[in-house]
Amino acid sequence: SQTIHQWPATLVQPVGSPLSLECTVEGTSNPNLYWYRQAAGRGLQLLFYSVGIGQISSEVPQNLSASRPQDRQFILSSKKLLLSDSGFYLCAWGVGDAKPQHFGDGTRLSIL
Amino acid sequence: DAKTTQPTSMDCAEGRAANLPCNHSTISGNEYVYWYRQIHSQGPQYIIHGLKNNETNEMASLIITEDRKSSTLILPHATLRDTAVYYCIVRVGRGGSEKLVFGKGTKLTVNP
Repeated sequence: SQTIHQWPATLVQPVGSPLSLECTVEGTSNPNLYWYRQAAGRGLQLLFYSVGIGQISSEVPQNLSASRPQDRQFILSSKKLLLSDSGFYLCAWGVGDAKPQHFGDGTRLSIL
Repeated sequence: DAKTTQPTSMDCAEGRAANLPCNHSTISGNEYVYWYRQIHSQGPQYIIHGLKNNETNEMASLIITEDRKSSTLILPHATLRDTAVYYCIVRVGRGGSEKLVFGKGTKLTVNP
């Protein structure tokens, strides 16, 4: 069966520090991968998606970047965190149209 | 913006059926309706999805009206663990860009 792992579960970082969140998927090949963010009291917003290694599409302009160095690895990064980057970050995978996306347990990021 | 409208909150007695409505009057002919739920501090959990026909799985049933402008998620025997925010989503996009646009959902509270 397929599983998705995200880490860390929680993270507290100072403003201006770098960020690296990692997501890996097991049990499937060539998945579509997604990064979402959920701000407090709001719905999920798609940040990035990837249909293959090295292929990244950005949905909204922001202070973050994403990379996909391996088929089942998706990384969310920032060089300098802002207060507005606080939130709940979720990675998801899917295999295409008419199939559901499945989410990881998320990383709760707090910026001080 | 989300293409669906849901009530903000609902209550249900434990052991009774929970019927969660959703309006999606602008849905296109090839767009699916997906339902997810999110328990506090966890990633969204996929429940069920459908296009035209009613669907049933081990978690729930999905009833879609003939004109596809609305649907109802049915939890046949609600338990306390079903307390969560339930999201009705119309799938937007194709080929990897099929992002899930989450609205504010319905907060379902199952009471003992």
